Amino acid sequence: GENVEQHPSTLSVQEGDSAVIKCTYSDSASNYFPWYKQELGKRPQLIIDIRSNVGEKKDQRIAVTLNKTAKHFSLHITETQPEDSAVYFCAASMARGNTPLVFGKGTRLSVIA
Amino acid sequence: DGGITQSPKYLFRKEGQNVTLSCEQNLNHDAMYWYRQDPGQGLRLIYYSQIVNDFQKGDIAEGYSVSREKKESFPLTVTSAQKNPTAFYLCASSIGGTENQPQHFGDGTRLSIL
Repeated sequence: GENVEQHPSTLSVQEGDSAVIKCTYSDSASNYFPWYKQELGKRPQLIIDIRSNVGEKKDQRIAVTLNKTAKHFSLHITETQPEDSAVYFCAASMARGNTPLVFGKGTRLSVIA
Repeated sequence: DGGITQSPKYLFRKEGQNVTLSCEQNLNHDAMYWYRQDPGQGLRLIYYSQIVNDFQKGDIAEGYSVSREKKESFPLTVTSAQKNPTAFYLCASSIGGTENQPQHFGDGTRLSIL
């Protein structure tokens, strides 16, 4: 089955700097890759997703890149702000409808003011 | 998301007791999922259901049971066979279709052993 590895497990950046979180996956059939943000004690919230027919997707300060050949995808947050501090999870699944997601173990991002 | 309601928010289980966590959605989503979250472990899939009256085991189904009698409801029972039930439980749902769609989560239930 699918296995998703996420790095780093913790990340500290200065406010205004960029943050990058990387994930690798094992199943070449996977082609849907969402990213979730979870604040302490709250539900995970989808922040961006990408499908394998796209190499990059951007939404304001957040971008995701996908390299299908290497089987890895990354989350990029620019101009970080203290409210970006949270745990971020990557996930992967196959494209067919309602296939369960396989999640990485998460990255705790701290943005230092 | 306001369309997925989990209850209760906190739950305490005694030794040998079965407890049931509720998950209701009014989003008309076909698929529903249960995840367990432990510190440093990410989200692990317990059970999922793609249609009414059908469900499949996830990676850590032992000690848990589910039912899907109605489209909007997917309760999870933590049985006494689950020896380490203390965790944060999250329910999610996604719309149907041939292409995978984003999963939306409820607020979670935090289960502890008395």
